[in-house]
Amino acid sequence: DSGVTQTPKHLITATGQRVTLRCSPRSGDLSVYWYQQSLDQGLQFLIQYYNGEERAKGNILERFSAQQFPDLHSELNLSSLELGDSALYFCASSVGQGASETQYFGPGTRLLVL
Amino acid sequence: AQSVTQPDIHITVSEGASLELRCNYSYGATPYLFWYVQSPGQGLQLLLKYFSGDTLVQGIKGFEAEFKRSQSSFNLRKPSVHWSDAAEYFCAVGSNSGYALNFGKGTSLLVTP
Repeated sequence: DSGVTQTPKHLITATGQRVTLRCSPRSGDLSVYWYQQSLDQGLQFLIQYYNGEERAKGNILERFSAQQFPDLHSELNLSSLELGDSALYFCASSVGQGASETQYFGPGTRLLVL
Repeated sequence: AQSVTQPDIHITVSEGASLELRCNYSYGATPYLFWYVQSPGQGLQLLLKYFSGDTLVQGIKGFEAEFKRSQSSFNLRKPSVHWSDAAEYFCAVGSNSGYALNFGKGTSLLVTP
């Protein structure tokens, strides 16, 4: 158990819908990262927040957005969902914000868009 | 930009045999290198990491990795594989100018009796 929690574990929805994925980082960690894992693209970095502020953006679609709240939990919002958005979404957390920081991963949320 | 290549998509080894998983990176300066393992239905667990210093890094579960700058490699090794090692293994690289990790496509390890 990494100490990072993600809810829900599974999510099934339809195309065009909107969903929210939630992540609670390890106690004391200020950075939260979101990654998408799919069969064709592998593990791709989406976005990072540090202490409530956006720090880095990766291959995140405009239909996706995220935020980190004052209690440091984070939410990833996915809208106008398409079939291709079906994937495993991981949240990771670290104490600091640099790439040298060890990132601890949650168990993931598996999203299926029908 | 930094990138990671894991040449082997699948590897099968017998229980008790030695293991080496290959990882090649592309990056101008000394990178931060990581190996993660993902068991079915689980998140990623850090096995080991390299930032600087001794090029042979020891990790958890009996794994080690060696950083070879001349070959741009960071191969993962284990002298004797256990059935519980069957999983997906990911090599990742980070840079001191960025925040996120770039992951390889992963190597799926199958352990046979």
